[in-house]
Amino acid sequence: NAGVTQTPKFQVLKTGQSMTLQCAQDMNHNSMYWYRQDPGMGLRLIYYSASEGTTDKGEVPNGYNVSRLNKREFSLRLESAAPSQTSVYFCASSSKPRDSLYNEQFFGPGTRLTVL
Amino acid sequence: RKEVEQDPGPFNVPEGATVAFNCTYSNSASQSFFWYRQDCRKEPKLLMSVYSSGNEDGRFTAQLNRASQYISLLIRDSKLSDSATYLCVVNDRTTDSWGKFQFGAGTQVVVTP
Repeated sequence: NAGVTQTPKFQVLKTGQSMTLQCAQDMNHNSMYWYRQDPGMGLRLIYYSASEGTTDKGEVPNGYNVSRLNKREFSLRLESAAPSQTSVYFCASSSKPRDSLYNEQFFGPGTRLTVL
Repeated sequence: RKEVEQDPGPFNVPEGATVAFNCTYSNSASQSFFWYRQDCRKEPKLLMSVYSSGNEDGRFTAQLNRASQYISLLIRDSKLSDSATYLCVVNDRTTDSWGKFQFGAGTQVVVTP
């Protein structure tokens, strides 16, 4: 099993360009998440999907859109990139969104995005 | 005020020594608690969940103090491989958004020979 995979690993964009970050998991997890990590800030939730067909905003959703394409895939789109979106983006999935208090999150390797 | 706060460190620890650090959370209704480990420029990985009675996993001991709203992590007999950033994670199940996890900014631990 590959776990959680993300593409691309690195990306440089110019202000105003758009792109989609791809995420897939092969663990049959219901919930998937997109975070960004900035120095000194910790991980902040952008969007999440508790189950296939649902998506909800997190702490910092502005400037992003998501699509839960199927149970495996959850993509994050930047429609018009801004320098403030320079960050490391992590996708995560978890297995028990409602049945257990202790549902472990598994993270992908991250995408390092620079917006010039 | 951040919902989850951690001392950023770094905690410089001689190999073989013990190190402990805390994390405070602001939401008294928080339900579940975790410590994750993150190596430089890598993804976070679960180190251990934190149970109400406290729990131990090898050299790692986690404690929860609900009255004072903090969790702690203690590492005994530190190894060079323990050098990493330790993230405190809190989940608030009482909100409509059960799926949200709140992350602290992390505590850096550096184990020296």
